[in-house]
Amino acid sequence: DTGVSQNPRHKITKRGQNVTFRCDPISEHNRLYWYRQTLGQGPEFLTYFQNEAQLEKSRLLSDRFSAERPKGSFSTLEIQRTEQGDSAMYLCASSPSGREWGPGELFFGEGSRLTVL
Amino acid sequence: RKEVEQDPGPFNVPEGATVAFNCTYSNSASQSFFWYRQDCRKEPKLLMSVYSSGNEDGRFTAQLNRASQYISLLIRDSKLSDSATYLCVVNSNTGFQKLVFGTGTRLLVSP
Repeated sequence: DTGVSQNPRHKITKRGQNVTFRCDPISEHNRLYWYRQTLGQGPEFLTYFQNEAQLEKSRLLSDRFSAERPKGSFSTLEIQRTEQGDSAMYLCASSPSGREWGPGELFFGEGSRLTVL
Repeated sequence: RKEVEQDPGPFNVPEGATVAFNCTYSNSASQSFFWYRQDCRKEPKLLMSVYSSGNEDGRFTAQLNRASQYISLLIRDSKLSDSATYLCVVNSNTGFQKLVFGTGTRLLVSP
């Protein structure tokens, strides 16, 4: 499967614990995005990487959240001291750069669902 | 005010019906517009781009009105398989593809 891969697919944790999600983008894509989606809402932008550089972070990304893409390939999203409000689906997406691709096509993974008890 | 607003629905329609979804956006500098489809518990996928001249893909027609900052999606001859959530998406054009999603409009097509 050459699509965007995310794991774990589901994570249940207790409030105050740390969690980490991993995203493996499509191999030739140099742009990587994290979004968060809660029930009944559309995905909300969290952060964006171009290769290994984190170029944009949303105000939604509090200091408990950190994302990395150390070698410009896979990315991790860590949430420290989880709160019940962090419960959501965390979606990773990738896209290639270059005008040969449509400007709006992000390829999403199936997401990592977090439940904080 | 949300940057992209949609009626969440649900829209319940019988097979064969024509249904239209609307969306408004607040950022007049937005340059690119899209409809994504999201099936229940699945990831969003690009359905079609939206152009000022209007564009059609089979049973789906998308329209953009820049003056009114309004985007529409028309689905003709609805199929059961069209049941999904349709997300209106705007590229905020900040130098990269920062896509801003609406809340989505849920469509249920019944036999």
